[in-house]
Amino acid sequence: AQTVTQSQPEMSVQEAETVTLSCTYDTSESDYYLFWYKQPPSRQMILVIRQEAYKQQNATENRFSVNFQKAAKSFSLKISDSQLGDAAMYFCAYRSASGANSKLTFGKGITLSVRP
Amino acid sequence: DAGITQSPRYKITETGRQVTLMCHQTWSHSYMFWYRQDLGHGLRLIYYSAAADITDKGEVPDGYVVSRSKTENFPLTLESATRSQTSVYFCASSEWGAAYEQYFGPGTRLTVT
Repeated sequence: AQTVTQSQPEMSVQEAETVTLSCTYDTSESDYYLFWYKQPPSRQMILVIRQEAYKQQNATENRFSVNFQKAAKSFSLKISDSQLGDAAMYFCAYRSASGANSKLTFGKGITLSVRP
Repeated sequence: DAGITQSPRYKITETGRQVTLMCHQTWSHSYMFWYRQDLGHGLRLIYYSAAADITDKGEVPDGYVVSRSKTENFPLTLESATRSQTSVYFCASSEWGAAYEQYFGPGTRLTVT
């Protein structure tokens, strides 16, 4: 079974600075997808960024980028120029690319606070 | 309303009562999912469905029942609620295929007293 680990429960960043959120995972599969979801106080789950395991190039979405290290099974999220609206809980998630089951396996999440 | 909706948004019930959480999506997505979110656990899959009349257990299915008679609806029933089922419940849907994004509903906060 796949597992996703987010070992840091909380992090804090100064507004306009850069912060990196860590995530590791364990799988025996070679083809899969990795995701970062944001959950603001409204509780709504919002997809931030997605990475396909077969792509070597790291995904980027505006101020959000990932450092995907397949051999190390590491998938960190970098937030540049942090804004107050980035304060939220962030979840790393794994999804197998094979089989009929498209479920997500989530990490426990990390709470990010942004200091003005 | 387009998208994925859940009802009720908040529910308080007593131990032993049956309660049903509703989920409705307007995209005709094949897949639908139920997760529960608890502090220190992230989101854990309860049940999922690949199509109408096809459902399967997830990581924490005990005490829950699902059905899917129509593609757009995926209700979750707690047959006899327990305090350990106090949680926030999220419904999600996606197209068939792992590359597709899962879209989440707004969540239902359930308290069992």
